[in-house]
Amino acid sequence: EPEVTQTPSHQVTQMGQEVILRCVPISNHLYFYWYRQILGQKVEFLVSFYNNEISEKSEIFDDQFSVERPDGSNFTLKIRSTKLEDSAMYFCASSAGGPGFFGPGTRLTVL
Amino acid sequence: AQSVTQLGSHVSVSEGALVLLRCNYSSSVPPYLFWYVQYPNQGLQLLLKYTSAATLVKGINGFEAEFKKSETSFHLTKPSAHMSDAAEYFCAVSANTGGFKTIFGAGTRLFVKA
Repeated sequence: EPEVTQTPSHQVTQMGQEVILRCVPISNHLYFYWYRQILGQKVEFLVSFYNNEISEKSEIFDDQFSVERPDGSNFTLKIRSTKLEDSAMYFCASSAGGPGFFGPGTRLTVL
Repeated sequence: AQSVTQLGSHVSVSEGALVLLRCNYSSSVPPYLFWYVQYPNQGLQLLLKYTSAATLVKGINGFEAEFKKSETSFHLTKPSAHMSDAAEYFCAVSANTGGFKTIFGAGTRLFVKA
């Protein structure tokens, strides 16, 4: 069964550094999403992406965040200047037009 | 807009007892509903989903949930709890008007006592 994959599984970075989280959506899917889960809290929607542009973003998704589909298979989330409070699990999801299928997540730790 | 409310941030049951985790949703259009389980330091595992077919949905690990439109509920049950069921459980909703983004509840942590 096709799956969404994410790399790396764990990422440790220093405050102020840029990080790129990578996702490979299911191959025939057209809708892509990023979610965040701060430790001990619920999963929160960050952004949705369709037809090479952002279709919706939450208030969490501020100017330090950006998304890109650089090569037709990957879907990336870039955090430009990480802050301590960006430490969280980040989930990618993709869909063919219905509810999304979630990847295993990347745990980001900002020191 | 969609929303999800999970009643009870913590639920404790004895091994072998009935598990009941409550979820109520709000959606202006027919929703898709989900239950996910998350073990410590791990990702989300889909337990089951309702997609407008049968209202009683069976999932993995002996869990099931019933969609009740009149009560806007989607409670998760399991007849007999196992120690391995101890985890965090998230109810979630998705719908066409939300661009199919998934909205999660706050989660319920299930404790299973020996």
